[in-house]
Amino acid sequence: NAGVTQTPKFQVLKTGQSMTLQCAQDMNHNSMYWYRQDPGMGLRLIYYSASEGTTDKGEVPNGYNVSRLNKREFSLRLESAAPSQTSVYFCASSTRTGTGNTIYFGEGSWLTVV
Amino acid sequence: AQTVTQSQPEMSVQEAETVTLSCTYDTSESDYYLFWYKQPPSRQMILVIRQEAYKQQNATENRFSVNFQKAAKSFSLKISDSQLGDAAMYFCASESYGQNFVFGPGTRLSVLP
Repeated sequence: NAGVTQTPKFQVLKTGQSMTLQCAQDMNHNSMYWYRQDPGMGLRLIYYSASEGTTDKGEVPNGYNVSRLNKREFSLRLESAAPSQTSVYFCASSTRTGTGNTIYFGEGSWLTVV
Repeated sequence: AQTVTQSQPEMSVQEAETVTLSCTYDTSESDYYLFWYKQPPSRQMILVIRQEAYKQQNATENRFSVNFQKAAKSFSLKISDSQLGDAAMYFCASESYGQNFVFGPGTRLSVLP
């Protein structure tokens, strides 16, 4: 069971470079999310997509853009990377059923901006 | 807005002993869900246990159980017979319809041999 798959797992960028983090889920979930986790801190929501065709800002959206390409895929783009964006990024997905909602995470992408 | 608080940044437990991690939350919703996630050093976020607020019975998953006190808005996690593999960050989270998942700051659990 693949679940939520995100790539790349590790990336080093120079300040000002751009890159896209890819995420795909095979659970037919409606909602997808991008979080960042900084050392000693919890998860902060960057952007989310409640359903295919919609995206919304989360707690810390500045410096990021997202694309919900289809129901399976949700990408996160850094247009001009900054050292403050050094973090571990998590993609996640969820869907509401009769018994509620549970969020499932990818394995994380470690990004370093130098 | 929902909030989740974990007042214990770090905890430790002796192997084979029992430990309880605290979590309090605040929500104005009547229908919501509560979760505990485990994050080992690999950083993978793993669902440990979930609780539906409308259920009075506390959820249990093997050595993991919760003490859900709805009136007090408290949702603690009890780990019995602690094992070295239980060492991790533990995050409490809440979710309700129309609201995003909200995570607490986490509690780092160390298991001492």
